[in-house]
Amino acid sequence: DVKVTQSSRYLVKRTGEKVFLECVQDMDHENMFWYRQDPGLGLRLIYFSYDVKMKEKGDIPEGYSVSREKKERFSLILESASTNQTSMYLCASSLRGNRNQPQHFGDGTRLSIL
Amino acid sequence: AQSVTQLGSHVSVSEGALVLLRCNYSSSVPPYLFWYVQYPNQGLQLLLKYTTGATLVKGINGFEAEFKKSETSFHLTKPSAHMSDAAEYFCAVSDKGAQKLVFGQGTRLTINP
Repeated sequence: DVKVTQSSRYLVKRTGEKVFLECVQDMDHENMFWYRQDPGLGLRLIYFSYDVKMKEKGDIPEGYSVSREKKERFSLILESASTNQTSMYLCASSLRGNRNQPQHFGDGTRLSIL
Repeated sequence: AQSVTQLGSHVSVSEGALVLLRCNYSSSVPPYLFWYVQYPNQGLQLLLKYTTGATLVKGINGFEAEFKKSETSFHLTKPSAHMSDAAEYFCAVSDKGAQKLVFGQGTRLTINP
């Protein structure tokens, strides 16, 4: 069965800290995505990656960076955490190919920045 | 650019009643459309998808959706609501020329006993 695993379900960090969110998929998918989810705003794409060492900005990349050193792992980095980055973060993966490929999601990380 | 509008951020129905969640899309290319469900404290799970062919798509848990090109709609329905259907539902369209999805803002479904 398809599996996307996010390293933490809940995380509390302090303002100014460097924060790492990890995501691993076991489906050999080429594409991986990071979203943040806020009430009333739906899912907003932060960054995505089509291949190892490759990354592209999504709709709201400011204050974030990513790393993809291995195909199965996609990390989201908050360079200097701020309170407005308190949110639910969702990782997803999909097969490369046609636009009809669905994305498979992890259970999310609820991040609080104090 | 592709976009999705979900009409109604909250929908409430009685157990056993018809569920209708509305989704309209805008796409400059033939759309690929998806419905996802999110249960509390979980990620998104694929309910169904429309690619090509039959316009009535059946999904999991008794849900189905009908693609209507003339109305640019992809509404989600279920004939009889169950308490376990309480969740948030997201409609999404595949982005042009890329393998990204554009999501609607979500509809929270509440089931009344």
